Amino acid sequence: EAQVTQNPRYLITVTGKKLTVTCSQNMNHEYMSWYRQDPGLGLRQIYYSMNVEVTDKGDVPEGYKVSRKEKRNFPLILESPSPNQTSLYFCASRQSYSNQPQHFGDGTRLSIL
Amino acid sequence: QKEVEQNSGPLSVPEGAIASLNCTYSDRGSQSFFWYRQYSGKSPELIMSIYSNGDKEDGRFTAQLNKASQYVSLLIRDSQPSDSATYLCAVVTGANSKLTFGKGITLSVRP
Repeated sequence: EAQVTQNPRYLITVTGKKLTVTCSQNMNHEYMSWYRQDPGLGLRQIYYSMNVEVTDKGDVPEGYKVSRKEKRNFPLILESPSPNQTSLYFCASRQSYSNQPQHFGDGTRLSIL
Repeated sequence: QKEVEQNSGPLSVPEGAIASLNCTYSDRGSQSFFWYRQYSGKSPELIMSIYSNGDKEDGRFTAQLNKASQYVSLLIRDSQPSDSATYLCAVVTGANSKLTFGKGITLSVRP
């Protein structure tokens, strides 16, 4: 089954404790991206990757890091999480052609205390 | 000016009615447009894509695109309670082909 898999689905942690949210897709997609979704603000792009070893900032990259060492994986790293990063996070992927829709993972709900 | 704007809603329609959802965008060069449906706490699910001016129909859903007016809409015919969700308009914008989302409109279909 074609899918985007995120882990963990839920996480409660404390300020300053480094965490990684993993994202993996099995559709051989070149393009991957991370979004956060907050009430009243909608979906905002954090980082995206056009292909392996090619990443770039989205609209709200502060406090986040990403890497793209393999085509299928695109982890999101919070080196020193803060409460304002409490949010619902989605990973998405698509084929390289920009007219293709993005497919979303099931989401990760992060709570930073 | 916001890149992708949707009516703030919420929108409430009776079962069986037509729900009309509207979206405007600012990037005149945009070529790809999508409607996603999102149930509470779930991930966005693609329901329609449209690339050319005019209408595109898929079952009870019709997407309409007018590039001259920079306007895209979604019509849901014979609305069902199961259509109650938030609908997100998304537009591919800019040189990096970023997918930009509107804030969404919440639709409630009353039985």
